[in-house]
Amino acid sequence: DQQVKQNSPSLSVQEGRISILNCDYTNSMFDYFLWYKKYPAEGPTFLISISSIKDKNEDGRFTVFLNKSAKHLSLHIVPSQPGDSAVYFCAASYYGNNRLAFGKGNQVVVIP
Amino acid sequence: NAGVMQNPRHLVRRRGQEARLRCSPVKGHSHVYWYRQLPEEGLKFMVYLQKENIIDESGMPKERFSAEFPKEGPSILRIQQVVRGDSAAYFCASSPSGTGDNEQFFGPGTRLTVL
Repeated sequence: DQQVKQNSPSLSVQEGRISILNCDYTNSMFDYFLWYKKYPAEGPTFLISISSIKDKNEDGRFTVFLNKSAKHLSLHIVPSQPGDSAVYFCAASYYGNNRLAFGKGNQVVVIP
Repeated sequence: NAGVMQNPRHLVRRRGQEARLRCSPVKGHSHVYWYRQLPEEGLKFMVYLQKENIIDESGMPKERFSAEFPKEGPSILRIQQVVRGDSAAYFCASSPSGTGDNEQFFGPGTRLTVL
């Protein structure tokens, strides 16, 4: 069963605008959430994470928001740059369980 | 400061042959994970190992698949008698601890094609 869900598989955005990626999860035990970025033929690269004790974490152009009651998180990229064109995966885990559960990914295309 | 290394990057096997995928974690990391990505899918957990121990293999098929992480040398994912459905990208990741609240660093993957 898919415990981490990413709908809207692709997103096109103009350079300089905001990209917003959404992720929903079903397992209430998840308490750590990560976003990974992946280019074709490469492995996923860690982008940003958030613990369930927070509702927001910011790192440069990337901000992740967590809404525990809705079991929803989102990644905001602003301003979007052409180099941000990639597939973005949402992942989740919980303390004591080391496996990451991944969503299916969102393809982001930033148009120059 | 080398990241996670995987080899080979591409592997072609005929049905019935064996595939061996190797992974060297980030230096100093003793926790290794294997994931599989089928086309148009996300990554699926297969197995979690520490040195000389399999900690969690609940995501790995019961037959034909095995994994090890010896005291010396890389972690190995072994697939015996490969079938076409094994064609996928196999990613290895490592982490410095195994508490579940830290990032995992991924290698570039091995793309297995079964003819």
